[in-house]
Amino acid sequence: EAGVTQFPSHSVIEKGQTVTLRCDPISGHDNLYWYRRVMGKEIKFLLHFVKESKQDESGMPNNRFLAERTGGTYSTLKVQPAELEDSGVYFCASSLWTDTEAFFGQGTRLTVV
Amino acid sequence: GENVEQHPSTLSVQEGDSAVIKCTYSDSASNYFPWYKQELGKRPQLIIDIRSNVGEKKDQRIAVTLNKTAKHFSLHITETQPEDSAVYFCAASTTGGSYIPTFGRGTSLIVHP
Repeated sequence: EAGVTQFPSHSVIEKGQTVTLRCDPISGHDNLYWYRRVMGKEIKFLLHFVKESKQDESGMPNNRFLAERTGGTYSTLKVQPAELEDSGVYFCASSLWTDTEAFFGQGTRLTVV
Repeated sequence: GENVEQHPSTLSVQEGDSAVIKCTYSDSASNYFPWYKQELGKRPQLIIDIRSNVGEKKDQRIAVTLNKTAKHFSLHITETQPEDSAVYFCAASTTGGSYIPTFGRGTSLIVHP
């Protein structure tokens, strides 16, 4: 069974540019989460999809971040325009239920210069 | 929402010693407590979890304890080995609704040979 996959694995962009991150969850997992880890800090929650619906987006830092999960399969997270403080590792995770193991992707390391 | 505190942020031990990482949570409705290990450059992976109807769980050298009254849970690693070196994250979540796994800040465990 394929795990959670994310791409790109690395992205270096200039301030003001746009970047789109993609996450393919494990097939059948209705719950999909986006998290971000800035150097040395916690894995911080961004948002939670249940199928195609945004169940909780309270962690999204501002309106420069837009997440979608059309059709309830893969998800994208777009940052537009990117700022320096957006740098970090963006993780996607999926799970069957919220109280079962969340499987993580490898993460996308975003560097905004 | 849930708030998870994790201590210490860094833990350095000699090979063969025990290591203990502690977490507290704020939401009494939380009932699922996973622990993740993230090795350098890799994705976080579940190593052990515990549910609120259990006080302790062991898996070889790893054990987790839960005190629901005090709202804290701990990870215990005995006979540490250099390959245990990694960042460990605790999390707390609850069943259903919009609850999502909320992570602690992580503990960087260094096991010296």
